[in-house]
Amino acid sequence: GENVEQHPSTLSVQEGDSAVIKCTYSDSASNYFPWYKQELGKRPQLIIDIRSNVGEKKDQRIAVTLNKTAKHFSLHITETQPEDSAVYFCAGISSGSARQLTFGSGTQLTVLP
Amino acid sequence: NAGVTQTPKFQVLKTGQSMTLQCAQDMNHNSMYWYRQDPGMGLRLIYYSASEGTTDKGEVPNGYNVSRLNKREFSLRLESAAPSQTSVYFCASSSLDEQYFGPGTRLTVT
Repeated sequence: GENVEQHPSTLSVQEGDSAVIKCTYSDSASNYFPWYKQELGKRPQLIIDIRSNVGEKKDQRIAVTLNKTAKHFSLHITETQPEDSAVYFCAGISSGSARQLTFGSGTQLTVLP
Repeated sequence: NAGVTQTPKFQVLKTGQSMTLQCAQDMNHNSMYWYRQDPGMGLRLIYYSASEGTTDKGEVPNGYNVSRLNKREFSLRLESAAPSQTSVYFCASSSLDEQYFGPGTRLTVT
């Protein structure tokens, strides 16, 4: 099955700086990679995703890049704001028919004012 | 649309008690999932249902059972709760790959 590793586990940045979170995956057949944001006490919410036929995807201040050869993908947040503080999870989808997501262990991002 | 809803929001059980967590979605999604989330950890899949009438084990199925009652509803049952099952439980649904989560059930087993 798929194995997804995520780092760093914690990340602090100054407001206005950029933040980068990285994930690696094991299953070369995986083809869908979402990122979720989870605020304290809330449900995970999908913020951006990328499919394996695309190398980069951007949505306003967030972007995701994918390197299929190296089997890693990254979340980039530019011009960080205090409301970006949350736990971020990456995930990869299994290549089987059930399309199960395997999640990374999460990154606690803190944006310092 | 309510999206994915879960009941109850909070529950405290004694060791050995049983309970059922309820999940419903109104997005006409085929697939539904149950996850548990423990402090400092990601989400781990307990069971899933790829379509109405089918269920399969995920990464951590021991101590749980599920029922896909119809296309909308997917329930998770703890037959004999153990302290190790103290966790936050999330239900999710998807039509293709994007999964949408419910608000969660915070379960404590004493």
